[in-house]
Amino acid sequence: SQTIHQWPATLVQPVGSPLSLECTVEGTSNPNLYWYRQAAGRGLQLLFYSVGIGQISSEVPQNLSASRPQDRQFILSSKKLLLSDSGFYLCAWSKLFNRADTQYFGPGTRLTVL
Amino acid sequence: GQQVMQIPQYQHVQEGEDFTTYCNSSTTLSNIQWYKQRPGGHPVFLIQLVKSGEVKKQKRLTFQFGEAKKNSSLHITATQTTDVGTYFCAGPIAGNMLTFGGGTRLMVKP
Repeated sequence: SQTIHQWPATLVQPVGSPLSLECTVEGTSNPNLYWYRQAAGRGLQLLFYSVGIGQISSEVPQNLSASRPQDRQFILSSKKLLLSDSGFYLCAWSKLFNRADTQYFGPGTRLTVL
Repeated sequence: GQQVMQIPQYQHVQEGEDFTTYCNSSTTLSNIQWYKQRPGGHPVFLIQLVKSGEVKKQKRLTFQFGEAKKNSSLHITATQTTDVGTYFCAGPIAGNMLTFGGGTRLMVKP
């Protein structure tokens, strides 16, 4: 069966520090991968998605970037965190070639920028 | 732009009361999906509806897909405290990308 991992689970970082969040998927090949951010009590904001290694699409302009160095690895990064980057970051995957397919979410990383 | 909208944003109910959340799309959808996110957790897929007018049930949860395939609803009968969470609908919009509604947060008073 497929599983999706995210780490760390929680993170507290000072403003201006770098960020690296990692997501890995097991049990499937060539998944579509997604990064979402969720502010407290709010909906899901799609940040990036990837249909393959090295292929990244950005949905909103922001202080963050994403990379996909391996088929089942998706990384969210920032060079300098802002207070507004605080939130709950969720990684998700869906089957290849069907971005309308069901998405399966990881447990998330709760980021607090102070 | 094209989007998926959900109402209400929040709903408080007494345990045992019914609850309904509504989802509307600006475009016809090939399918509609529903997810539940427990407090502190991540969204979990509940169900997918594909056919016009389709109705599916999961125990006390009833899901409907509108005849025009532009709206959907989730109805919970006799809510329990375990139903607490945020319910999201999602449909493929704009380039066949799954787009999530803003969610309805359900709170149940015991």
